[in-house]
Amino acid sequence: DIVMNQSPDSLAVSLGEGATINCKSSQSVLFNSNNKNYLAWYQQKPGQPPKLLIYWASTRESGVPDRFSGSGSGTDFTLTISSLQAEDVAVYYCHQYYSSPQTFGQGTKVEIK
Amino acid sequence: EVHLLESEGGLLQPGGSLRLSCAASGFTFSTCAMSWVRQGPGKGLEWVSGISGSGTNTYFADSVRGRFTISRDYSNNTLFLQMNSLRPDDTAVYYCAKHRLGSYYSSLDSWGQGTLVTVSS
Repeated sequence: DIVMNQSPDSLAVSLGEGATINCKSSQSVLFNSNNKNYLAWYQQKPGQPPKLLIYWASTRESGVPDRFSGSGSGTDFTLTISSLQAEDVAVYYCHQYYSSPQTFGQGTKVEIK
Repeated sequence: EVHLLESEGGLLQPGGSLRLSCAASGFTFSTCAMSWVRQGPGKGLEWVSGISGSGTNTYFADSVRGRFTISRDYSNNTLFLQMNSLRPDDTAVYYCAKHRLGSYYSSLDSWGQGTLVTVSS
C-alpha cells in the first residue's frame, strides 16, 4: 500500500497570510505513460463531507478559489493557500489514486492565528 | 447538479450485517466509477471499496475484503455496499463518492453527506 504522510499535522495562520501543507507518498504516484501525478487534495469542514480542491496534483477543480494551488511531482506534493480567509478553516487531506487501495494522508488542520 | 444520498445507517451488533445504498442523480451514472470512503469518530478518511463505471472491476481495502461487497444498479442509478461480519472498528461515517472518470483511478469529485454506522454490543 502507498502510505501518504502529511506535514504538519496542524498549523495556525493569520488572516491574509499564506499556508503550506506538504504531502509525501511512500512511492511515486507519477504515471509515466501520461505524465500525470495521481494525487488530489480535499478540504473538509466540520460536519461536512470532503470537497475536492485539486486533482492531477495541480489542476484546480471548477469553482475553487485561485488562492488554492497544488504543486509537486513523484513523491512530494504541496497545497498552498496564498492568502488565508476565515472560510478556509478546515482539515485538508491528500489522496493518491495511483494504485489500489487508494489512500489518504492523515489530514492537516488549518486554524486562524 | 450531482446529488448523492446515502441510506440510513444504524446501530448494529458485532457480527451483524447491513446494506448501504447511495442514490445518485445529476450525472450519467454509468460513465463514472464510484467508491465508499469512511471516517471513524474523530479520525481521518479511509477508502473502503470502489467499482468501475462499467461495474466490471471492484476493489476493496484489506480491512474489509471478504466481508464487504460493492455493486451498482444502473436501472435505478444506485450504488450499494453490503457489509457482513461487522466489527466495532467498522464504526464510522460512510460516504458515497463519485469519481471524476469511468476509471476507478481518478479523483473523487462529489460526495454524499454520509451515514453513521455504529457497531457495538
